[in-house]
Amino acid sequence: DTGVSQDPRHKITKRGQNVTFRCDPISEHNRLYWYRQTLGQGPEFLTYFQNEAQLEKSRLLSDRFSAERPKGSFSTLEIQRTEQGDSAMYLCASTSTSGSSADTQYFGPGTRLTVL
Amino acid sequence: AQKVTQAQTEISVVEKEDVTLDCVYETRDTTYYLFWYKQPPSGELVFLIRRNSFDEQNEISGRYSWNFQKSTSSFNFTITASQVVDSAVYFCALSEVGDSSYKLIFGSGTRLLVRP
Repeated sequence: DTGVSQDPRHKITKRGQNVTFRCDPISEHNRLYWYRQTLGQGPEFLTYFQNEAQLEKSRLLSDRFSAERPKGSFSTLEIQRTEQGDSAMYLCASTSTSGSSADTQYFGPGTRLTVL
Repeated sequence: AQKVTQAQTEISVVEKEDVTLDCVYETRDTTYYLFWYKQPPSGELVFLIRRNSFDEQNEISGRYSWNFQKSTSSFNFTITASQVVDSAVYFCALSEVGDSSYKLIFGSGTRLLVRP
């Protein structure tokens, strides 16, 4: 059973460029979450999907951010016109809504974004 | 509003000492989950434990133990006979059942340094 994977692990970009991150959840998990973590802070919720439906977005998710989970499997998070304030670790987590470990979120290794 | 407070920013101990990490939470929900995650320098959040609000039994797993007290809204984590490999940032988190997303609300984390 493979865990949650994220790609890339590190991304350095220049301000104004677009970036896209990918998350592959644990295969039988129907819920997928995105969080953002800045230095010295705990992760903060951005958005989540149940299957392919995006059900909630945080106020942290500005119009420059978009997330998709087209077939209810992997998800992508795109940031358009990046700003230096977008520099953070972007974490993906997945969980199932049934079973003994329902509602326990398992995290991927994260994508560390640096905007120059 | 929901909130998780980890007042200890950083703790430094010598190997083999016992150490307790504090977590205090706020919620208006009567049913919720509490979690502890470990974040080693590699950055991945590792799930340690989940407790349900209706189960106040303390739990022990090897050198780890957790003390959940609803009366004081606390969910503290003790490492007995600490080891250098325990060095990491530890996060306490809350998830409210009344929130259909079950998103995690994290504290700001406690950095534990175990010196040889």
